[in-house]
Amino acid sequence: KQEVTQIPAALSVPEGENLVLNCSFTDSAIYNLQWFRQDPGKGLTSLLLIQSSQREQTSGRLNASLDKSSGRSTLYIAASQPGDSATYLCAVPNYGGATNKLIFGTGTLLAVQP
Amino acid sequence: KAGVTQTPRYLIKTRGQQVTLSCSPISGHRSVSWYQQTPGQGLQFLFEYFSETQRNKGNFPGRFSGRQFSNSRSEMNVSTLELGDSALYLCASSGSTGRQPGYGYTFGSGTRLTVV
Repeated sequence: KQEVTQIPAALSVPEGENLVLNCSFTDSAIYNLQWFRQDPGKGLTSLLLIQSSQREQTSGRLNASLDKSSGRSTLYIAASQPGDSATYLCAVPNYGGATNKLIFGTGTLLAVQP
Repeated sequence: KAGVTQTPRYLIKTRGQQVTLSCSPISGHRSVSWYQQTPGQGLQFLFEYFSETQRNKGNFPGRFSGRQFSNSRSEMNVSTLELGDSALYLCASSGSTGRQPGYGYTFGSGTRLTVV
């Protein structure tokens, strides 16, 4: 059974710092991994989708890496800004039988202090 | 390209009532999934529909049901509401038809349900 863990659970940094969020998964046979951002009370915004054949994916100040063999992904945020404050979630799809569903990590609550 | 649209955004219902939530996926997407998010349990999978068929259901009581129409729009229904059903209900659509690595999920803004 796939389990996804995120460390740390919460993180507070001053504006301008570079930071790394971690995501671990127990079953390395994944098709892809997706990083989301969630603002309080809002839906999930997709940040990056990284395929199993890729090592990393970049979008602006965000860079996600994937190491299937070790069951780990990291989300690197460069030059953090107060607007980056949110909960960050990683998720992997579970294709059990004919179904599609996402297995989510527990999330990292990020606070960037001005 | 329009995103995933969920209506209504907020709902307040009384215990024992029933509620229907709606989700319109991205045009062309046939897979629609529903998730419940609560502070204590995090994100939990409710069910997934593909081409009007429910493919799987999470571990929720029979009070939770759904359907999908021929235009891929989906509705979920909760009957006999309980206080514990208060949550953010999220809908996601995907262009994937199954075990395909190329597709991710796009989520809607959610429906905040409060049961009093």
